[in-house]
Amino acid sequence: AQSVTQPDIHITVSEGASLELRCNYSYGATPYLFWYVQSPGQGLQLLLKYFSGDTLVQGIKGFEAEFKRSQSSFNLRKPSVHWSDAAEYFCAVAGYNFNKFYFGSGTKLNVKP
Amino acid sequence: ETGVTQSPTHLIKTRGQQVTLRCSSQSGHNTVSWYQQALGQGPQFIFQYYREEENGRGNFPPRFSGLQFPNYSSELNVNALELDDSALYLCASSIREMNTEAFFGQGTRLTVV
Repeated sequence: AQSVTQPDIHITVSEGASLELRCNYSYGATPYLFWYVQSPGQGLQLLLKYFSGDTLVQGIKGFEAEFKRSQSSFNLRKPSVHWSDAAEYFCAVAGYNFNKFYFGSGTKLNVKP
Repeated sequence: ETGVTQSPTHLIKTRGQQVTLRCSSQSGHNTVSWYQQALGQGPQFIFQYYREEENGRGNFPPRFSGLQFPNYSSELNVNALELDDSALYLCASSIREMNTEAFFGQGTRLTVV
């Protein structure tokens, strides 16, 4: 069965510190992987996506993610967090025709000044 | 901001009533998906419409139904509302043939009392 696990419900980091949000997926075929960000009361904004090719993908707002097939992981990273990054982050997986996205339960990021 | 718009933004209904939520897809997008996001959860796939036909459905009962119109806008209808239907309902549009990512609207917050 397809599923996405985000093991960390809440993470708090200091402004300027590095960040890594974990994502593990279970998908029977070649996965298409995404990270979305959601501010309170808002919709979802795409940060980055992995379809194929280079396993390190760059996204908006200085985020990057690395696809590791052997670990079924797609962790999100940022070298230096800004206070405006405080939000909830969702990892998602989809099949080749994108007819259904499976989302993780999210990781809420808090940034300390 | 994306070109996906949802209406209304907030709605309060009584248990047992019926509700219709609306979504205008981004220009040129022919595929609309609907998701339910309960408080503290990731979005759950309800169904998808492609060229006015249902193209995949998640684990939701038949009282959740939808429509897609020739201009690719869409409606989500929920009959016999239950308290557990209280959630943020998200609409996402995409172009199926181009395997693009989904662009999400801001959502409709439904409260059932």
